[in-house]
Amino acid sequence: NAGVTQTPKFRILKIGQSMTLQCAQDMNHNYMYWYRQDPGMGLKLIYYSVGAGITDKGEVPNGYNVSRSTTEDFPLRLELAAPSQTSVYFCASSLEGGKAPLHFGNGTRLTVT
Amino acid sequence: GDSVTQMEGPVTLSEEAFLTINCTYTATGYPSLFWYVQYPGEGLQLLLKATKADDKGSNKGFEATYRKETTSFHLEKGSVQVSDSAVYFCALSSSNTGNQFYFGTGTSLTVIP
Repeated sequence: NAGVTQTPKFRILKIGQSMTLQCAQDMNHNYMYWYRQDPGMGLKLIYYSVGAGITDKGEVPNGYNVSRSTTEDFPLRLELAAPSQTSVYFCASSLEGGKAPLHFGNGTRLTVT
Repeated sequence: GDSVTQMEGPVTLSEEAFLTINCTYTATGYPSLFWYVQYPGEGLQLLLKATKADDKGSNKGFEATYRKETTSFHLEKGSVQVSDSAVYFCALSSSNTGNQFYFGTGTSLTVIP
């Protein structure tokens, strides 16, 4: 019962570095999402995907990129990291978009200094 | 656009006290409504949901009723326990949001013995 698996759990980046946050789910869900969680701000949608090969921007996509080459994996790429990207990042998946509940990973805590 | 407004915290209650966390929404269509809970160091988990007006979602002693006339989905529990200490998020999704989820800012609950 792995569900949604995110790696790494923690990461510290220097300004201008890049990295990829990994997300994998084993529930055969078509819908996958990336959110960031900032203190007192709730969750903001970065990117989402409704199936392999299809991705779309959410509320706060600038500075990020995604790809969805398989149903299982949905990596989030940060290029040229900035302090404003310090946050906790959550990946989630869903069977049926808005009607079915989201299943979340345990998050990646990223600090950019 | 569609949005969720959630009662600000933090909330501190004694064990066995009654809990209410207010949530109101703005939506042009007929959204599905959710409450998620986040325990320290973990991702969000679905607590309960309601997909149409007058539906009542319930789980683990928590309840919320989808009230279209007041555009509300308040979370209640009759007797809280220390183990209920967590952050609670109200969320909605609808066809107007492209079946994406929009979250409130979260309400932190601490229950003291």
